[in-house]
Amino acid sequence: DAKTTQPNSMESNEEEPVHLPCNHSTISGTDYIHWYRQLPSQGPEYVIHGLTSNVNNRMASLAIAEDRKSSTLILHRATLRDAAVYYCILRGSTLGRLYFGRGTQLTVWP
Amino acid sequence: EAGVAQSPRYKIIEKRQSVAFWCNPISGHATLYWYQQILGQGPKLLIQFQNNGVVDDSQLPKDRFSAERLKGVDSTLKIQPAKLEDSAVYLCASNTGQVYNEQFFGPGTRLTVL
Repeated sequence: DAKTTQPNSMESNEEEPVHLPCNHSTISGTDYIHWYRQLPSQGPEYVIHGLTSNVNNRMASLAIAEDRKSSTLILHRATLRDAAVYYCILRGSTLGRLYFGRGTQLTVWP
Repeated sequence: EAGVAQSPRYKIIEKRQSVAFWCNPISGHATLYWYQQILGQGPKLLIQFQNNGVVDDSQLPKDRFSAERLKGVDSTLKIQPAKLEDSAVYLCASNTGQVYNEQFFGPGTRLTVL
């Protein structure tokens, strides 16, 4: 399965936008880009996913590069509750399995 | 809608003992997953069920780990005998069975092997 590369950690101030980058240079044409996050002492939770076009939902926006080799998760106004590990995952058509890397630890300062 | 339930939330055992974890997925979800998450790492898939059949158990250490999903609903994951390196959080997740649908995760069971 294609791998992703994310920064180990990022920081933000509360109420500021956050852009979490992800590189996936070996992505295949059928791989969807999924983002999950894991709050402390909880299981991961789904954030957003996309294939080619940018996507928006109530939690975040996903911006996908035209060549699909990178993507950015955008939190428009960070809150303290957004402090979590964010995982960027390529999800292929084979059984829909998720392969988690180490993700990006996001710290939000008040 | 009730989420994925897991029990126990915490378990401490000594090495070579046995332990079992239970998972109740969201009602109607055909696919159930067990993940192992070692401290500081992302979750790693151990086994995937589709209804009551195993779809993928390639990452399951079958000499000591076993899992079953009775009647395509609840599932149990067992470790026998446990080793120190089995200390981890064991996460259960489920989804509707559609390949690209989101997975819903339970809170996990934190296992400590002494």
